[in-house]
Amino acid sequence: DSGVTQTPKHLITATGQRVTLRCSPRSGDLSVYWYQQSLDQGLQFLIQYYNGEERAKGNILERFSAQQFPDLHSELNLSSLELGDSALYFCASSVGLYDEQYFGPGTRLTVT
Amino acid sequence: AQTVTQSQPEMSVQEAETVTLSCTYDTSESDYYLFWYKQPPSRQMILVIRQEAYKQQNATENRFSVNFQKAAKSFSLKISDSQLGDAAMYFCAYRSAIYYGGSQGNLIFGKGTKLSVKP
Repeated sequence: DSGVTQTPKHLITATGQRVTLRCSPRSGDLSVYWYQQSLDQGLQFLIQYYNGEERAKGNILERFSAQQFPDLHSELNLSSLELGDSALYFCASSVGLYDEQYFGPGTRLTVT
Repeated sequence: AQTVTQSQPEMSVQEAETVTLSCTYDTSESDYYLFWYKQPPSRQMILVIRQEAYKQQNATENRFSVNFQKAAKSFSLKISDSQLGDAAMYFCAYRSAIYYGGSQGNLIFGKGTKLSVKP
């Protein structure tokens, strides 16, 4: 157990819908990363937050957004969902900006 | 931009034997970290081993060791005395060590190598 929690474990929704994925980092970790794992694209970095502020962006679609709250948990919002958004979404956390990252168990999103 | 390449989509090894997974990367940075992650069928990402670029000594963790060739930009993983529980996807990953004005602290992954272990 890495200490990073993600909810829900599984999510099934229809095209065009909006979902929110939640991540709670390890106690004391200020940095949260979101990654997407799909068959087509492999493991890709989406976005990073540090102590409530957005720090870095990767290949994140405009339909996707995220935020980190004062209690340091983070949410990834996916809207206008398409079939191609079906993937495993991982959250990882680290103490600082360039420290060891610990992965959560992931949220499996299926868009039908 | 940094890239990571794993040229072996699948590998197979006999139980108790040794197997080596290959990884090459491309970067213009001099300071960085390299990692091997294991992803079993449970899908959890598990850190197997890490290597700091400025350390010449190859990292070792029990049955797992790496062969880090900085000049060749090569980072292979050797698994000794393979066990059935080693069967998984293995991902090689790169991360910048410090801010390089444009680089970020996120992990950059290869496509992965699926390792099967035969009893």
